[in-house]
Amino acid sequence: GQNIDQPTEMTATEGAIVQINCTYQTSGFNGLFWYQQHAGEAPTFLSYNVLDGLEEKGRFSSFLSRSKGYSYLLLKELQMKDSASYLCAVQDSNYQLIWGAGTKLIIKP
Amino acid sequence: DAMVIQNPRYQVTQFGKPVTLSCSQTLNHNVMYWYQQKSSQAPKLLFHYYDKDFNNEADTPDNFQSRRPNTSFCFLDIRSPGLGDAAMYLCATSFVAGGSDTQYFGPGTRLTVL
Repeated sequence: GQNIDQPTEMTATEGAIVQINCTYQTSGFNGLFWYQQHAGEAPTFLSYNVLDGLEEKGRFSSFLSRSKGYSYLLLKELQMKDSASYLCAVQDSNYQLIWGAGTKLIIKP
Repeated sequence: DAMVIQNPRYQVTQFGKPVTLSCSQTLNHNVMYWYQQKSSQAPKLLFHYYDKDFNNEADTPDNFQSRRPNTSFCFLDIRSPGLGDAAMYLCATSFVAGGSDTQYFGPGTRLTVL
């Protein structure tokens, strides 16, 4: 079966750094996406990784290791508005997105 | 601005009363998706259209139907909503050209079934 695992919930402090991990087992691999979803809203695209390594985009970075079936999303200089769920999704061999259940990130002052 | 629009944002219906949710896009994307998402769960793909080709997920109940009359519009019909169908319904679009096809989401329609 296909499976995406990520922690259910994490807590971090404003101004700090947090790393949200995602491990996956899928039928084929055509890229990994990270989405941000605020409560009651739709997911918004954050990043896409298809090759191993780190992709940096402002305060957010995403890392991929295909051999380990592993990715992480790194958020720096945390702000209160970063409180949201972060969804990891993998595109399988049929280009279908397999979604994780999301990690709820709570930012404390 | 190019975008994905969903109407209505909030829909209340009665048990068993048919309801239609709509989605439109100005991105000129060739693929449109309908997802169901319940609280603290991953989005669940119901079906998608690749151009005019309809693709139904194996576990999507027959109660859910979809129409895509043209490139810009897609509809989700729930023929006889049950209490378990209360959820956020998300429409997404992507442009599939053999590489990454980032999906862009509309704001969602929150369905309440009384």
